[in-house]
Amino acid sequence: GENVEQHPSTLSVQEGDSAVIKCTYSDSASNYFPWYKQELGKGPQLIIDIRSNVGEKKDQRIAVTLNKTAKHFSLHITETQPEDSAVYFCAASINGQNFVFGPGTRLSVLP
Amino acid sequence: EPEVTQTPSHQVTQMGQEVILRCVPISNHLYFYWYRQILGQKVEFLVSFYNNEISEKSEIFDDQFSVERPDGSNFTLKIRSTKLEDSAMYFCASRVGPITDTQYFGPGTRLTVL
Repeated sequence: GENVEQHPSTLSVQEGDSAVIKCTYSDSASNYFPWYKQELGKGPQLIIDIRSNVGEKKDQRIAVTLNKTAKHFSLHITETQPEDSAVYFCAASINGQNFVFGPGTRLSVLP
Repeated sequence: EPEVTQTPSHQVTQMGQEVILRCVPISNHLYFYWYRQILGQKVEFLVSFYNNEISEKSEIFDDQFSVERPDGSNFTLKIRSTKLEDSAMYFCASRVGPITDTQYFGPGTRLTVL
């Protein structure tokens, strides 16, 4: 079955700096890759997603890149703000079915 | 903006008791999911549900678990005889339909088994 790894497990950056979180997946049939942000005591909130026919997608300060050959995808957050502090999960899926999540990255943005 | 809702937010139960966790998916969504997150660990898939039947279930989803859509709005997860290791956050998610991939998650129910 699919296996998703995520690095780093924790990440601290200064406010205004960029943050990059990387994920790898094992199943070449996976074609949908969402990123979720989870704040303390809340459910995961979708922040951006990418499908396998796209190499890069950007939404304001957030971007995701996908390398299908290498089976890895990355989340990039620019100009980080304290409110970006949360746990970020990547996931892989075939056609939006049962998500396999990575273990999560705890991002701390220091003012 | 429509959202997935879950009740209760926190459920405390004794080992061996039955619990029912409730979810109201987004109204025009057709695919429903339950996930579990043990404290400090990643979110794990439990079961998917479409057209009033289970589409897929993980190895975690054993005979003590069941799901039901008793009416047009609710989607429930029942645990028949809870164990200590069932203590976790349980998230419900829903998706519009087959041509869209995005799943929207509810805020979760924290289940504590004593």
